[in-house]
Amino acid sequence: QSVLTQPPSVSAAPGQKVTISCSGSSSNIGNNYVSWYQQLPGTAPKLVIYDNNKRPSGIPDRFSGSKSGTSATLGITGLQTGDEADYYCGAWDGGLSVVVFGGGTKLTVL
Amino acid sequence: QVQLQESGPGLVKPSETLSLTCAVSGYSISSGYYWDWVRQPPGKGLEWIASMFHSGSTYYNPALKSRVTISVDTSKNQLSLKLSSVTAADTAVYYCARHALSIVGNTTCFDHWGQGTLVTVSS
Repeated sequence: QSVLTQPPSVSAAPGQKVTISCSGSSSNIGNNYVSWYQQLPGTAPKLVIYDNNKRPSGIPDRFSGSKSGTSATLGITGLQTGDEADYYCGAWDGGLSVVVFGGGTKLTVL
Repeated sequence: QVQLQESGPGLVKPSETLSLTCAVSGYSISSGYYWDWVRQPPGKGLEWIASMFHSGSTYYNPALKSRVTISVDTSKNQLSLKLSSVTAADTAVYYCARHALSIVGNTTCFDHWGQGTLVTVSS
């Protein structure tokens, strides 16, 4: 059981937009920044969003992040088949002094 | 260009100690950042194991703390993980990662990852 809650799967057609939610509590998302990771099949996770809404160098602006209260959202526009991956949210939990991750969301581009 | 590379035995017997090393290139561990281990059981999600700063500050997953030893060797620019008394539940891909952690700034993210190494616990 993950501390952060994500939907197991989402899907959308190529070119469309999809959002992935991540729900937590005041001890993690509510008072700390959220990061998001893309894990393509058979590869290591890759940082796509940090500090709620910032993109690392090389990440296209099709990827966006937002946070409201104890929930965060990853958005991907102009979906491509290459975006098919598992996506994980992560945050620091100040109450436990630990890193917490969501259980992951599998994105299917139909 | 920061690169991390895990190495270690791919097969460990139950009750023994799992030992992994992560060689870091392109960045000096002693220059900053936390350095972490994260694992992923087959078909499952990410599980954070532990963080260590080069000065010795550490954080551990409470569920694993009693069995985990994390260390950094600044002379070799590498980090290590030891997990004792392993069981089949410890079978996973183990990743090392550079961790931008600021408790004061309330921020955490893993900006560089190794490719991961699969460790199977079996007799």
